[in-house]
Amino acid sequence: DVKVTQSSRYLVKRTGEKVFLECVQDMDHENMFWYRQDPGLGLRLIYFSYDVKMKEKGDIPEGYSVSREKKERFSLILESASTNQTSMYLCASSPSTDTQYFGPGTRLTVL
Amino acid sequence: GEDVEQSLFLSVREGDSSVINCTYTDSSSTYLYWYKQEPGAGLQLLTYIFSNMDMKQDQRLTVLLNKKDKHLSLRIADTQTGDSAIYFCAEYTSGTYKYIFGTGTRLKVLA
Repeated sequence: DVKVTQSSRYLVKRTGEKVFLECVQDMDHENMFWYRQDPGLGLRLIYFSYDVKMKEKGDIPEGYSVSREKKERFSLILESASTNQTSMYLCASSPSTDTQYFGPGTRLTVL
Repeated sequence: GEDVEQSLFLSVREGDSSVINCTYTDSSSTYLYWYKQEPGAGLQLLTYIFSNMDMKQDQRLTVLLNKKDKHLSLRIADTQTGDSAIYFCAEYTSGTYKYIFGTGTRLKVLA
């Protein structure tokens, strides 16, 4: 079974803090993705990566950066957290041409 | 532009069939997916269909695809309370990295 894990299920941070969300997959997938999920808006793509050290902006990259130093790990970074980044963050991975598999999500609250 | 639409809510009685509908706009979609999200969790892949198929059955789940109308549906037979969740449809085109998700349909199963 594909396993995608995220470092935290719940996280509370203060405005201005630097926040790291970690995602690890164990299936040697090439592609990894970060989404945020907000009520009524569905899933919106923040960034994705199709190879180590490669990254591409998604639909809403502002205020976020990513890092992929190893194939199995994809990190989402909030350089200076703001209250409008309070959301559910979902990581996914996929083989080169196929289905996405999701992690359990991290619910981030920025106070 | 690309868009995937779903109705927001559906309520059914336990034991009845549920039908969740989805319309999409990208005629070059290769795969169409259904995901289930239980409260506080990530997205779980339920089933998918290739765009050259009309129907796929998997136990209690039946997926119907009308490519001409760009309409996808998920039928859940003998709906149980454990089926209460949010259901997302998504489309994907091979050769891109883009998965387009609907906003999700919240299914409530009444005992």
